[in-house]
Amino acid sequence: GAVVSQHPSWVICKSGTSVKIECRSLDFQATTMFWYRQFPKQSLMLMATSNEGSKATYEQGVEKDKFLINHASLTLSTLTVTSAHPEDSSFYICSASRGLRNTGELFFGEGSRLTVL
Amino acid sequence: EDKVVQSPLSLVVHEGDTVTLNCSYEVTNFRSLLWYKQEKKAPTFLFMLTSSGIEKKSGRLSSILDKKELFSILNITATQTGDSAVYLCAITGTASKLTFGTGTRLQVTL
Repeated sequence: GAVVSQHPSWVICKSGTSVKIECRSLDFQATTMFWYRQFPKQSLMLMATSNEGSKATYEQGVEKDKFLINHASLTLSTLTVTSAHPEDSSFYICSASRGLRNTGELFFGEGSRLTVL
Repeated sequence: EDKVVQSPLSLVVHEGDTVTLNCSYEVTNFRSLLWYKQEKKAPTFLFMLTSSGIEKKSGRLSSILDKKELFSILNITATQTGDSAVYLCAITGTASKLTFGTGTRLQVTL
């Protein structure tokens, strides 16, 4: 199956700092990437849809100025958590779609666990 | 708004038991239903279902979709402790956007 790499796997930062998480599709071109957040013992909640070369589409309730998404190439999307606070501590997972020809199978990165002190 | 409801929320069984996990959904422009297994990190793909009544099978796991009644089941036979995980059901509507259910937490004990 396709490979999606996410980096870093875990990060600890101080409150007020910004953290960037990268998501790369290693063996295919991902026209669309998705960013999810998962709190402990809860399911994955879609934060935003990232399309290469255009602005991301954010889900209701997700602050676009706080969670900056950039999808500059067909193999890389980044999520930057700006001015992170302890409540932003969560597990962030990206996933990538090959394109509209498939019926929706997504390939997930390994996830990034963010802890904000 | 797309919606996925999974049941039960959690389940504890003995090794060797058979379990059935349920997933019902509401979606605009259904494209596919997917099952994932999540242990400590990101979900791993199990099945993708697009057609009703066709069972997909992988070892001790199998799944089937009913598009008329809008549900799917995931069966695990002869469970093992390694099957302990959260099983996530998700659907895709337009644009490959996945909507997840809350998951079923399965614990298999010796």
